[in-house]
Amino acid sequence: QTVLTQPPSVSGAPGQRVTISCTGSSSNIGAGYDVHWYQQVPGAAPKLVIYAHSNRASGVPDRFSASKSGTSASLAITGLQAEDEADFYCQSYDSSLSGYVFGTGTKVIVL
Amino acid sequence: EVQLVESGGGLVQPGGSLRLSCEASGFSFSSYAMSWVRQAPGKGLEWVSAISGGGSSTFYADSVKGRFTVSRDTSKTTLYLQMNSLRAEDTAVYYCATNRGSVQRVSPSNWLDPWGQGTLVTVSS
Repeated sequence: QTVLTQPPSVSGAPGQRVTISCTGSSSNIGAGYDVHWYQQVPGAAPKLVIYAHSNRASGVPDRFSASKSGTSASLAITGLQAEDEADFYCQSYDSSLSGYVFGTGTKVIVL
Repeated sequence: EVQLVESGGGLVQPGGSLRLSCEASGFSFSSYAMSWVRQAPGKGLEWVSAISGGGSSTFYADSVKGRFTVSRDTSKTTLYLQMNSLRAEDTAVYYCATNRGSVQRVSPSNWLDPWGQGTLVTVSS
C-alpha cells in the first residue's frame, strides 16, 4: 500500500525553483523517523541526494535542500538545470510495517 | 572505490526459484547492514529485505516474507537473496544497497548508499 505520497510530477524552467513534497503519517515521518531522498535517472540505479532530513550526500550541489515538518518532508531544487531531470524518491521507516518505505516518486521535468 | 555488483537475475516460471548475488568491494563489508530494494517495470521503489552486518538479524517486507531469504558471506563479501515460490508480481529490477548511518545493525534511521546497478528478474510462463 502507499505509505509516503509524492506528486507524480513537478516542472520548472531552467534557473527556477521546484519543490517536491513527501506526505506520510504518524507511523513514519510523523513518528520522527529520518527522511532521505534519492535521484534516479532513467535506466540507472537510484543515487542518494539527501540523508537524515537535510544533509547533502557527497558531491551533491547546494542547489538541493530538504526539510521536514510534522508528517511531511520536502525537497527543494533551486537554479534548476537540465541535468536535474530525473525521478526523485523519499524514504523513511514505518513502525507499523516494521520496514523501510519509499515515496511514490516524482518526475522532475525541466521545461 | 565502493562498488556493488548484482548478478543472478533472469527468466523464471511462476513457482520457481532464483538466487541473486551482490558482490561488494571497496569497503568493510561486515561493518554495514545491507538491503535489497526492487523496482517493477515502470513503477516505484519497494524495499524488500535487510540484513545486519554480522548476518544474525534479518528483516523482510510483508510481500516477500516466508518466500525470500537474505544472507551474506563475509569471506566472499557477497550478499544473497534466495527467492522461492516466485510470482508474476515479483518481476522487477532488484538492487542491493548499503545501509548507512549505523554500524552493523539495521536501524530505522538508515539511508541506502551506494546502490548496485540492479539485476532484472522476470517471472513468466
